[in-house]
Amino acid sequence: DARVTQTPRHKVTEMGQEVTMRCQPILGHNTVFWYRQTMMQGLELLAYFRNRAPLDDSGMPKDRFSAEMPDATLATLKIQPSEPRDSAVYFCASGSDPPNEQFFGPGTRLTVL
Amino acid sequence: DQQVKQNSPSLSVQEGRISILNCDYTNSMFDYFLWYKKYPAEGPTFLISISSIKDKNEDGRFTVFLNKSAKHLSLHIVPSQPGDSAVYFCAASAVGPSRQLTFGSGTQLTVLP
Repeated sequence: DARVTQTPRHKVTEMGQEVTMRCQPILGHNTVFWYRQTMMQGLELLAYFRNRAPLDDSGMPKDRFSAEMPDATLATLKIQPSEPRDSAVYFCASGSDPPNEQFFGPGTRLTVL
Repeated sequence: DQQVKQNSPSLSVQEGRISILNCDYTNSMFDYFLWYKKYPAEGPTFLISISSIKDKNEDGRFTVFLNKSAKHLSLHIVPSQPGDSAVYFCAASAVGPSRQLTFGSGTQLTVLP
């Protein structure tokens, strides 16, 4: 049963600390996406990789957020320094195109105090 | 500027009746549309999709209708079951190499027993 996995599932940290979220996409998928879900904004796209190359990170605050794919089995999203407004659920999704279906991980619930 | 809009944040339906969830879009370049279902504390799961060359796609109790001239799509669930209670997201992708998804803000469906 192939699934996208994300770690950690929950993270509580203090303002100013570095946060790293990890994602293992489904084996064989060549696209990886990072989304943030907030109450007000729904699902916002933060970053998008195809074949490990970043294609679009326009949704990401560049001064504090960074996304990488060091290899095909790992995607990371880093926030440094974290701020209370970063509190949200962060989802990773993977897919292969075409078609366009994306498969989501369970999310990382981040709370920045 | 929201390119994909779900104007009803919530919908309640009696078990056994039809649930109709609506979605409007503004980008004429969208050519592929998807519906995702999300339970609390889980990632969204793909439900059903439709290409712009079709106006209807059916999968069991779920049917998606696309009206390109009105830039409107809808998801019909018949008959509705209590297990269908979840947040439903409409998503769309545009022609081009990026193929990223643009999501609506979601509709909370509650099916009452």
